[in-house]
Amino acid sequence: AQTVTQSQPEMSVQEAETVTLSCTYDTSESNYYLFWYKQPPSRQMILVIRQEAYKQQNATENRFSVNFQKAAKSFSLKISDSQLGDTAMYFCAFFFSGTYKYIFGTGTRLKVLA
Amino acid sequence: EAGVVQSPRYKIIEKKQPVAFWCNPISGHNTLYWYRQNLGQGPELLIRYENEEAVDDSQLPKDRFSAERLKGVDSTLKIQPAELGDSAVYLCASSGRTGSRNTEAFFGQGTRLTVV
Repeated sequence: AQTVTQSQPEMSVQEAETVTLSCTYDTSESNYYLFWYKQPPSRQMILVIRQEAYKQQNATENRFSVNFQKAAKSFSLKISDSQLGDTAMYFCAFFFSGTYKYIFGTGTRLKVLA
Repeated sequence: EAGVVQSPRYKIIEKKQPVAFWCNPISGHNTLYWYRQNLGQGPELLIRYENEEAVDDSQLPKDRFSAERLKGVDSTLKIQPAELGDSAVYLCASSGRTGSRNTEAFFGQGTRLTVV
């Protein structure tokens, strides 16, 4: 069974600074997808970034990038130039097409300080 | 394009009462998920539909929970009777055709259920 672990329940960062959120997972599969979702107080989960396991290149979306270490089963999210609007819960999620199910971690609450 | 629409946004009921949640997925999305999110936790899958077929309901407490997706479009999740432990946010999500490379799930805003 796949599991996703986020070991940082809460983090804070100064506006304009950089922060890294950690995620590890466990699976015996070789082809899967990893996601970071953001959940602001409105509760709607919003996709931040996606990584396909067969791609060695780390995904990047504007100020968001990941450090994907497949052998170590690690998938961290780096947010550069943090903005107040980045304040939210961040969830790491694993997706395997064999089960077509998303498995989420317990989340990291990020607060960006002015 | 409209996103995933859920209603109601909030619901407060007394224990032992029934409750229903409604979800309209993104047009054309064959896959529909219902997730439950307890306070301070990540979402956990309750049921997944491919069109009108429930293909994964292994996590659905079938003694009190039921769901349907008639005509493979919108879906309803019901709890009867509700228990105090059912208080949570119920999220609906949809994604593109099974087997496609489009694996992104789009979520609605959820229904926050409080059972008193």
